[in-house]
Amino acid sequence: EVQLVESGGGLVQPGRSLKLSCAASGFTFSDYYMAWVRQAPTKGLEWVASISYDGGSTYYRDSVKGRFTISRDNAKSSLYLQMDSLRSEDTATYYCTTVSWELGDYFDYWGQGVMVTVSS
Amino acid sequence: DIVLTQSPTTMAASPGEKVTLTCRASSSVSYMNWYQQKPGASPKLWIYGTSKLASGVPNRFSGSGSGTSYSLIISSMETEDIATYYCQQCCSTPRTFGGGTKLELK
Repeated sequence: EVQLVESGGGLVQPGRSLKLSCAASGFTFSDYYMAWVRQAPTKGLEWVASISYDGGSTYYRDSVKGRFTISRDNAKSSLYLQMDSLRSEDTATYYCTTVSWELGDYFDYWGQGVMVTVSS
Repeated sequence: DIVLTQSPTTMAASPGEKVTLTCRASSSVSYMNWYQQKPGASPKLWIYGTSKLASGVPNRFSGSGSGTSYSLIISSMETEDIATYYCQQCCSTPRTFGGGTKLELK
């Protein structure tokens, strides 16, 4: 059974940093691109960042480029999101997802999510 | 960025009723994905590649469309289908989602 378990969320002041982690199990982690998708309170879904199988390629939405860093450790089956210079608009539940391809790509497995609140 | 507009924003359907949710893209997309999210839960992949049902999705669901117009159809509404449904375009960066359609029971 595929499991994705996020951790590391919490309340943080604007301008500070936070690092999210996602522990994966039940599948061969290195066989999947991975991604972070977020959802602001009572809002819709927003793709944040993606990373290739070996971490050699990374992709970000413009609003987080230069502030967030996605990374992975295939030996530990773990995905990370380092978030620096946090802003109030980064407040959201962050989901770790696998990315698969067949007729385009899609986010097929999702974690339970971790809440990040940016507030003074 | 490709903007996805879902309609209606909210709709109510009776058990047994046919339901059609629409997603329109600001530019042509190759395929569309759909996700189901119930209150307090994570989203689940529901339909991918425009018309392929994810594992475990009942066959009363179907997906269709091309270019800038896509649909998720429920042939016969059931109580367990109450949820918010999001469309998502597969192929242009950044990947974008629609604002969601909240499906309620009438």
